[in-house]
Amino acid sequence: GAVVSQHPSRVICKSGTSVKIECRSLDFQATTMFWYRQFPKQSLMLMATSNEGSKATYEQGVEKDKFLINHASLTLSTLTVTSAHPEDSSFYICSASRGQGGTEAFFGQGTRLTVV
Amino acid sequence: QKEVEQNSGPLSVPEGAIASLNCTYSDRGSQSFFWYRQYSGKSPELIMSIYSNGDKEDGRFTAQLNKASQYVSLLIRDSQPSDSATYLCAADFGNEKLTFGTGTRLTIIP
Repeated sequence: GAVVSQHPSRVICKSGTSVKIECRSLDFQATTMFWYRQFPKQSLMLMATSNEGSKATYEQGVEKDKFLINHASLTLSTLTVTSAHPEDSSFYICSASRGQGGTEAFFGQGTRLTVV
Repeated sequence: QKEVEQNSGPLSVPEGAIASLNCTYSDRGSQSFFWYRQYSGKSPELIMSIYSNGDKEDGRFTAQLNKASQYVSLLIRDSQPSDSATYLCAADFGNEKLTFGTGTRLTIIP
């Protein structure tokens, strides 16, 4: 159990376009989902926390108008990178928590975004 | 600021030996701790979670938690080349999200 599916695994887009990344919990209801960004040889940087049916909470320094997060249901959250620039190229990873008083989180496969 | 610290390594261990990974955290009130394994180019995979002082064993992995000293460690027995990866320590500081260390790169030498 506790499978999180993230799609797409790789995407290449042109500067100025938008890219949507999906994160689904396949066998449990995720009360909270998290979006991370990871640059090469660095640790995970939390971008935002999303709860179903409410607005996402963004970490300091993360532009909410650029990184749009929608948590439409207990099994689906999406991250849209708007007006992408080459510096947005990174590894984006979602994770989902089952809640129940714990923060044990399970990660999706990650999305390698390259903006050209 | 609440932090999780790890030695970035790299840590090299001969195959069959015990690999020992350490992590310290800044908030004495933290209750939940996790070890994740991340292969290059892949997302993290949960290995162990530990919530109480002492040892927790799962196969070749043992997590150790000492809340008084604010450290958590991961031991890998009978190390295999497939254990070569970056190991991330994470803590829940009570704000319902995980704070990650920078990770320790482990290499098992055949």
